Amino acid sequence: RKEVEQDPGPFNVPEGATVAFNCTYSNSASQSFFWYRQDCRKEPKLLMSVYSSGNEDGRFTAQLNRASQYISLLIRDSKLSDSATYLCVVQNAGNNRKLIWGLGTSLAVNP
Amino acid sequence: GAVVSQHPSRVICKSGTSVKIECRSLDFQATTMFWYRQFPKKSLMLMATSNEGSKATYEQGVEKDKFLINHASLTLSTLTVTSAHPEDSSFYICSARDFRVGGTSGRFADTQYFGPGTRLTVL
Repeated sequence: RKEVEQDPGPFNVPEGATVAFNCTYSNSASQSFFWYRQDCRKEPKLLMSVYSSGNEDGRFTAQLNRASQYISLLIRDSKLSDSATYLCVVQNAGNNRKLIWGLGTSLAVNP
Repeated sequence: GAVVSQHPSRVICKSGTSVKIECRSLDFQATTMFWYRQFPKKSLMLMATSNEGSKATYEQGVEKDKFLINHASLTLSTLTVTSAHPEDSSFYICSARDFRVGGTSGRFADTQYFGPGTRLTVL
């Protein structure tokens, strides 16, 4: 089983749609959780951290369920500029706190 | 946010040559930097963890003699791909760890910032 699993998509949605991405992780001792966004041929950029209580940043809402080892990202009112790959990332304990990356979910928002 | 630079951004070289990639943290000191590789339509794969003043820690399956890492200062780590071959062609990305403890509260921030990546093509 992969450490971080995501549905690769692609998700094709019209502008204005609401889209949800899911992610599961295998290490119950994982400490921190993130969603990154990666545009084609660019480096990943931090979209948002994910907290146990859930958190929202504008049109983006992230949820964490530690019991189910499940993370989600909800995008409301999709924009064309949201088209990208969304990477679920888990950070484990330890001195160097390595990031464990999912394969990413591809989103295409269409006019 | 903090800035991490990588140089060069793109390199094309002949098979058998060595290529050095630099990763710099521009406005913070990074005792730990990470080197990743990403093939087309694949996820980032951690190659090694670079620790200032000590040997790098390589992930399983990554040849340390082929991918030489040097972290000689708190703001610079280098990755040298030795005797590059076409199968080494990839997108190499570094990240630098910014770890700070705040005053008397003891609260800390631990964030990784990514460089813009280096696209290596070996002919």
